[in-house]
Amino acid sequence: NAGVTQTPKFQVLKTGQSMTLQCAQDMNHEYMSWYRQDPGMGLRLIHYSVGAGITDQGEVPNGYNVSRSTTEDFPLRLLSAAPSQTSVYFCASSYDRGNTIYFGEGSWLTVV
Amino acid sequence: GIQVEQSPPDLILQEGANSTLRCNFSDSVNNLQWFHQNPWGQLINLFYIPSGTKQNGRLSATTVATERYSLLYISSSQTTDSGVYFCAVALETSGSRLTFGEGTQLTVNP
Repeated sequence: NAGVTQTPKFQVLKTGQSMTLQCAQDMNHEYMSWYRQDPGMGLRLIHYSVGAGITDQGEVPNGYNVSRSTTEDFPLRLLSAAPSQTSVYFCASSYDRGNTIYFGEGSWLTVV
Repeated sequence: GIQVEQSPPDLILQEGANSTLRCNFSDSVNNLQWFHQNPWGQLINLFYIPSGTKQNGRLSATTVATERYSLLYISSSQTTDSGVYFCAVALETSGSRLTFGEGTQLTVNP
């Protein structure tokens, strides 16, 4: 099993550009989520999904969209990048709500 | 929302020393996990421990849900234990929507 795979690992964007961070898991997990981590801070939840076709907002959803068309994939879209979205983004998955969460290796995004 | 406080914020140890990290939370939870973020940024799940005690090698964790705290014990620390340790919790009503503490930065010197 590859676990949780995120791409790209590093990305530089100009203000106003859009992009998609990809996340895929091969563990047949129902729960998937996206977090961002800013310097010196813990992780904050952006969006999450409890299964294919079902998504909901987390703590900091503004400026981001998600969709969940399959169990395996949960892409995060930045609609119009802003410098405040410079951060490290982590995708995570778990079998269900009461189980261990597994993280991808992170995507470092810089918006200039 | 739920508040998660971790202490101490920073900890410096000599190799071989023992340490205790604490996580306090402000509401009833049904999901509590400890993570280690290594110096390369990778997040590794250490324990899923909403209550009770677990051990894994030199690490162990105890959660007292009724008193709203959890402890992570590291014994005989090694330089590879360095990094940031995060506690994350989820309310009984919020499924797996984890709220993270700000972490404890651990440095183990040789």
